[in-house]
Order: sequence, then structure tokens, then C-alpha cells
Amino acid sequence: GEDVEQSLFLSVREGDSSVINCTYTDSSSTYLYWYKQEPGAGLQLLTYIFSNMDMKQDQRLTVLLNKKDKHLSLRIADTQTGDSAIYFCAEINNNDMRFGAGTRLTVKP
Amino acid sequence: GAVVSQHPSRVICKSGTSVKIECRSLDFQATTMFWYRQFPKKSLMLMATSNEGSKATYEQGVEKDKFLINHASLTLSTLTVTSAHPEDSSFYICSARAPGEAAGELFFGEGSRLTVL
Repeated sequence: GEDVEQSLFLSVREGDSSVINCTYTDSSSTYLYWYKQEPGAGLQLLTYIFSNMDMKQDQRLTVLLNKKDKHLSLRIADTQTGDSAIYFCAEINNNDMRFGAGTRLTVKP
Repeated sequence: GAVVSQHPSRVICKSGTSVKIECRSLDFQATTMFWYRQFPKKSLMLMATSNEGSKATYEQGVEKDKFLINHASLTLSTLTVTSAHPEDSSFYICSARAPGEAAGELFFGEGSRLTVL
């Protein structure tokens, strides 16, 4: 089946940039997403990118999409302790949405 | 953005009992809602697609008689875990697509943590 893969852990120091990477296999994906999950909570949509774009910036967040390599990344500038959470990438093709396993971001003071 | 609310956020039940989880869209009408189950260190698993006024569409491997889904109105879908067993303990999350939002953009509930003793 189609897969979405992410590394499980990332640790950064407060103030540094965080880069969370994701690879996917479905070349027909129309949208790609980044969701944030804080402890005990549901998922919050952070940002999304249409598959014909290669970059999207939204305040501290920068999404890069390499469609040829099927690689998606999320960069968080000036990472804060409040950014500590699990970040899920997801892709959608028609109504079929697939998630990665999530990357746990730990921000150290 | 649109708001989706789940209730209860946590529930503990005895093995063999049934538990109902509600998913509500608070400020929009959702003809379609989705139910997921989250396993530790694993991705969300789509269980079923809940369609208002018709039967839910279940993913392969999900028992429809075990996980009953009812989408009785445009703002409410319920998931009932029947005859719960400890292996059903998990985090269940619902989502809905708000009309007018970017195609595919989903709004998620807070999740419901089920513990079966």
C-alpha cells in the first residue's frame, strides 16, 4: 500500500530551527498537510500545501515540497518550548487521507 | 477555523460493556465525518467514513458490528464500541470536512481516550 514515513524523534534547543521531514509514495496526492498534536489533545492543522506548489511560508513555518522526490518538510524557525508536540504529515488523494506515524519534537531550554 | 468537539475526552469501562463516543461539528454542518484510531508510536488509522443519513463505510479489517457508527444529523456522528475488550483501549479521534474550506482540509476533535479494564 501507499506509505507516509517520518522519523519518530527530533530534539532541538530553544531558539534553533527545527526541520521535520516526511516522505510519501502516492504521486497522485493533491494536498499535503502538517498537523500538530499536543499531549492528550486532538490534531490541529498547522498548514497545508497544494501539490503544484514547492514552498509555502506562514509566519515561523516554512513548508517545502519536492514532488519529484516525494519529500515534504516543515521548518519551524526560532523554535519555542511551546512547539514541543507530535507533528504528523499527511497526504490526500480524493477522500483517502494517509498519515505518517508522527515526529515527536522536544525543545530543550 | 471550524470546531469539532468530541465527548467524552476520557472513559474507563469494564470489559464486555459498550461505550459511545460523540463527535459534533459546532459551527458548521458536516455531511461526512471520519473516525480514526491512534496506536502508540503509529499513525492514525482510518476506521470508517460516516455519512449523514446513510450507512458508514468501513475500512478493511474494521468490524462494523464491533464499531457501530451513526450519523443521525449534519452535526453529530457517534461511535459505539460494543462489548469492549482491553485490546480496544486506544485513542479515538474524529474529523470533519467543513464546507467551503480547502479541498481535503479536515478539522479534528480533541480525541477520546478509551480504557477497557
